[in-house]
Amino acid sequence: GENVEQHPSTLSVQEGDSAVIKCTYSDSASNYFPWYKQELGKGPQLIIDIRSNVGEKKDQRIAVTLNKTAKHFSLHITETQPEDSAVYFCAAGGNTGFQKLVFGTGTRLLVSP
Amino acid sequence: DVKVTQSSRYLVKRTGEKVFLECVQDMDHENMFWYRQDPGLGLRLIYFSYDVKMKEKGDIPEGYSVSREKKERFSLILESASTNQTSMYLCASKAGGGKLFFGSGTQLSVL
Repeated sequence: GENVEQHPSTLSVQEGDSAVIKCTYSDSASNYFPWYKQELGKGPQLIIDIRSNVGEKKDQRIAVTLNKTAKHFSLHITETQPEDSAVYFCAAGGNTGFQKLVFGTGTRLLVSP
Repeated sequence: DVKVTQSSRYLVKRTGEKVFLECVQDMDHENMFWYRQDPGLGLRLIYFSYDVKMKEKGDIPEGYSVSREKKERFSLILESASTNQTSMYLCASKAGGGKLFFGSGTQLSVL
């Protein structure tokens, strides 16, 4: 089955710096790679996703890159703000119907003012 | 926006008790999921359901069962709670696409 590894487990940056979180996956059949943000006391929320036919996707300060050959994908946050502080999870799997996702172990991002 | 509601935010139970965690979604989603979240382990899938009365085991189903009698409701059952089931439990739903909508979670403590 699919296995997803995520690094680092914690990341501290200064406000305005960039943050990068990396994930690797094992199953070459996976074709969908979302990123979720979990704020304190809340459930995870989707912030960006990418499908295997795309190499990069951007949404304002957030971008995700995918390298299918190496089986890794990364989340990039530019110009970080204190409200970016949260736990971030990557996931890999299928995107249709009941196809399940396998999540990484999470990265706690702390952005200091 | 989709709302996924979990019946309890915090729950304390004794070992051996039968525990029911309830989840309701209001957007007519076919697919519903139960995950548990533990520090350093991320989110692990316990069970999922793609239709009423249908269920599939996830990666860690041992000690759990589920029930889906109505489309909007998906229940997680701990037949005989044990201390190693102390965890945060997250319910999620989705339609045909990839986006999961999560509830706020139930923090279960088994003493």
